[in-house]
Amino acid sequence: EDKVVQSPLSLVVHEGDTVTLNCSYEVTNFRSLLWYKQEKKAPTFLFMLTSSGIEKKSGRLSSILDKKELFSILNITATQTGDSAVYLCAVGRTTSGTYKYIFGTGTRLKVLA
Amino acid sequence: DVKVTQSSRYLVKRTGEKVFLECVQDMDHENMFWYRQDPGLGLRLIYFSYDVKMKEKGDIPEGYSVSREKKERFSLILESASTNQTSMYLCASSFPGRTSYEQYFGPGTRLTVT
Repeated sequence: EDKVVQSPLSLVVHEGDTVTLNCSYEVTNFRSLLWYKQEKKAPTFLFMLTSSGIEKKSGRLSSILDKKELFSILNITATQTGDSAVYLCAVGRTTSGTYKYIFGTGTRLKVLA
Repeated sequence: DVKVTQSSRYLVKRTGEKVFLECVQDMDHENMFWYRQDPGLGLRLIYFSYDVKMKEKGDIPEGYSVSREKKERFSLILESASTNQTSMYLCASSFPGRTSYEQYFGPGTRLTVT
């Protein structure tokens, strides 16, 4: 059965800390891995990774995919209180010609001032 | 900016009622999705549609149906609401195809069934 597992489930850090969020997967017909940030509303898109070893970066956030070991990490440096959110990992796969996404349960990050 | 809107942010219904949740997107996306999000379970796919009048079951379709009469609108229907359908419902849309596109999400509808 396809699955996406995120760890840790929750995390509390202080402003300025660096955090690493993990996403491992076992999915057939893998096509992509996506990271989203969800505050008290709709998830917003952060990154999409399709190739192993290529880091995607946006400001203090970066992410990398390892297709051999079947995982991805999301790094946030110099955390701020505005980074507090649930971070979702989703894996895109094809099945019978259609494209679907499988989500992990998310990592809840709280950044304290 | 892509906009995905959902008809209600909060909804309270009684057991046995028929419930309609509507989703509208303005980016001419072919693909539309309905998920429910529950603590500890993440987002689970209920149904998706890759074209007008086309639909496919997701992972948890039981107790739900969908309708897509127009490209921009995707409706989720709870035929007879039950308390175990109390949840956050999220609609999403994306471009089609076998390549990867990110999904754009609506703000969600928090449904309570009493």
